[in-house]
Amino acid sequence: KQEVTQIPAALSVPEGENLVLNCSFTDSAIYNLQWFRQDPGKGLTSLLLIQSSQREQTSGRLNASLDKSSGRSTLYIAASQPGDSATYLCAAETSGSRLTFGEGTQLTVNP
Amino acid sequence: GAGVSQTPSNKVTEKGKYVELRCDPISGHTALYWYRQSLGQGPEFLIYFQGTGAADDSGLPNDRFFAVRPEGSVSTLKIQRTERGDSAVYLCASSLFSGGTDTQYFGPGTRLTVL
Repeated sequence: KQEVTQIPAALSVPEGENLVLNCSFTDSAIYNLQWFRQDPGKGLTSLLLIQSSQREQTSGRLNASLDKSSGRSTLYIAASQPGDSATYLCAAETSGSRLTFGEGTQLTVNP
Repeated sequence: GAGVSQTPSNKVTEKGKYVELRCDPISGHTALYWYRQSLGQGPEFLIYFQGTGAADDSGLPNDRFFAVRPEGSVSTLKIQRTERGDSAVYLCASSLFSGGTDTQYFGPGTRLTVL
C-alpha cells in the first residue's frame, strides 16, 4: 500500500525567501507525482505533474524534482510571496489512476 | 471553459439520513474521481470512473457508499444511513483520460456535516 509523507507539516518564512517542501513515498512503482495547492475552504489546484520517466518540471517560480529510486520529490519555491501562502499537497499516482496524498505542508509567507 | 462543479457546496444532515452529492466534470473528460478529505488530512481516494463504469471502487469505506455515472458525464455519490464519521469534504476530480499522463482537475468540494 502506497504511503506518502510530507515534511515539514508547517512552515513560516519571510517574503522573498527560497524554500523547499519535501515529499516521500513508499512504493516507487508510480505513474507520476503531482503537486497541488489548496487554499482554505477551496478545492485543489494542480501545480506540477512529473511523469515517472522525468526528473523535474518547472513552472514560473516553482520547480519540482522526482527521484523514484529513493522515493522522494521536492517542490522548490523561489522568491516566495505572501500570495504563496496555502497548503501544498503532493500525491503519487499508482495503479488504477488513484492518487495517494500526503497530509500537506501549510506554508505561511509573511510580508 | 468551466471547471469541475459540485453541488451542494454545503450539506447538513442528521444521523441516519440519506444524502446525494453531485459532480459535473469538465466537458469531454472521460475519467472522474471521488475523494474524501477530513480536517487536517490529505484527500483519500474513494472511487474512479472511466466512462460510465466504476473502474476502481476499492476506496469506498463500506456498502453505505455508492456512486453512479449513468451517462458518462455527471456523477452522484450516494451515502445511506449517514454517520457522524462521514462528516468531511467530498471532492470530485476529472481528467481527460486515465492512466498516469493527465492532470486531475478538482472541484471546490461539498462539505458534509452529519449531526
